[in-house]
Amino acid sequence: LAKTTQPISMDSYEGQEVNITCSHNNIATNDYITWYQQFPSQGPRFIIQGYKTKVTNEVASLFIPADRKSSTLSLPRVSLSDTAVYYCLVDEDSNYQLIWGAGTKLIIKP
Amino acid sequence: KAGVTQTPRYLIKTRGQQVTLSCSPISGHRSVSWYQQTPGQGLQFLFEYFSETQRNKGNFPGRFSGRQFSNSRSEMNVSTLELGDSALYLCASSLATAGAGSYEQYFGPGTRLTVT
Repeated sequence: LAKTTQPISMDSYEGQEVNITCSHNNIATNDYITWYQQFPSQGPRFIIQGYKTKVTNEVASLFIPADRKSSTLSLPRVSLSDTAVYYCLVDEDSNYQLIWGAGTKLIIKP
Repeated sequence: KAGVTQTPRYLIKTRGQQVTLSCSPISGHRSVSWYQQTPGQGLQFLFEYFSETQRNKGNFPGRFSGRQFSNSRSEMNVSTLELGDSALYLCASSLATAGAGSYEQYFGPGTRLTVT
């Protein structure tokens, strides 16, 4: 069973690029990595997903190195509204398990 | 397209009672997962249903149960409530199921359960 580890909290400033890294040992070749964003009193919201190299969409990029022991969510030019908790998730293909990280509380300052 | 809906949004129960929460997934989604979220424990997976069958279960006591109907709507039940069951219960729906590769969950707003 994979285990995910992420920093408990991070601070940054408006306009900066923020990188949040999640460590996940024992993941298999076909296991997907997904990141979600959660605001207070709301359910998590999908941000981005991938299983190798780099994926980019309109809000974020996801970098996964060749050894796949970690992944990095990159948020370009953050704003105050990006203050939220960010979760990484490993979808274990072999046993249909979803392994959630404990979440990283990101605080953006003006 | 309507999102995931959960009812009720807020609930207050006393210890020993039982409670049933309801979740209506996005139209066409066949997978429904339930999560418990508390400040100290983060997101804890309860169970997943796909086409009326429970595919996965988290590490929760048997007091927590669920079911899924033929229209994909799902209910979860907690019997003999304890103070520690106070939490936000989230439901998520998806087209595919865990382990199917690309898997995106859409979460509802949650039901805030308070046990007194």
